[in-house]
Amino acid sequence: EAGVTQFPSHSVIEKGQTVTLRCDPISGHDNLYWYRRVMGKEIKFLLHFVKESKQDESGMPNNRFLAERTGGTYSTLKVQPAELEDSGVYFCASSQTPARYTFGSGTRLTVV
Amino acid sequence: AQSVTQLGSHVSVSEGALVLLRCNYSSSVPPYLFWYVQYPNQGLQLLLKYTTGATLVKGINGFEAEFKKSETSFHLTKPSAHMSDAAEYFCAVSPTSGTYKYIFGTGTRLKVLA
Repeated sequence: EAGVTQFPSHSVIEKGQTVTLRCDPISGHDNLYWYRRVMGKEIKFLLHFVKESKQDESGMPNNRFLAERTGGTYSTLKVQPAELEDSGVYFCASSQTPARYTFGSGTRLTVV
Repeated sequence: AQSVTQLGSHVSVSEGALVLLRCNYSSSVPPYLFWYVQYPNQGLQLLLKYTTGATLVKGINGFEAEFKKSETSFHLTKPSAHMSDAAEYFCAVSPTSGTYKYIFGTGTRLKVLA
C-alpha cells in the first residue's frame, strides 16, 4: 500500500510569507495527525483529525497555524505569516486502528 | 500528564558492541510504548511497540525492548551494532484511549564506530 505522502519535502521562505504543507494519508485511514520537531527538540503533537473533523488541536502553537482536511482525505497545514521560530520538520501520520501510526517523511521548513 | 525522558542525546558504540538506548516515562497508567528510528533524510519508521501482553518486544533489524512497569522504563537494545544502525532513535508513549496522541522523547542520535 502507498504510504503517507508529504510535500514539499523542503521549503525555504522568508519571514512574513505564507507556506502551505500538504499531507496525503494512506487511503482509508480516518485518523490524521500533525507533529512538529523544532530545532532538535522533541517531536510535538499539533493536532488530530478524524475524517474531516478536528478531534484535538491542543498542540497548535497559535492562530498563525491553520489546518484543514478536505473531505476527510488530504490535509493541509498553513502557516501565515511565518516566523523564524516556525522552522523545523513537520510530520504527518495516519492510522486506522488506534495507536498504529504510519508517518510521512516530513517537510523541512526553514524560515529566514 | 505523560512525559518521556531519553537519557543521552548522543550515544556512540563500536561496531559489534551492545546497543542500549534508555527511555523512561511518566504516566499515571501504563501507556502504549514505541520506539521509532529516523535515518538521515527519511521519515520516522516504527521499530517496535508495546501495547499489551509479553513485556519483551522484538522489533525490526534485531532490536528489542522490555517494558518494566516497576521501573517505568522501555529501554531499547540490540546485541551487536551495525554501521547501518547509525540514526536517531525516538521513544514515544501514547494513552491507551482517546486521541492516542504521542508524547515523544528528545531523541538519541546513535553513532556506530568502525
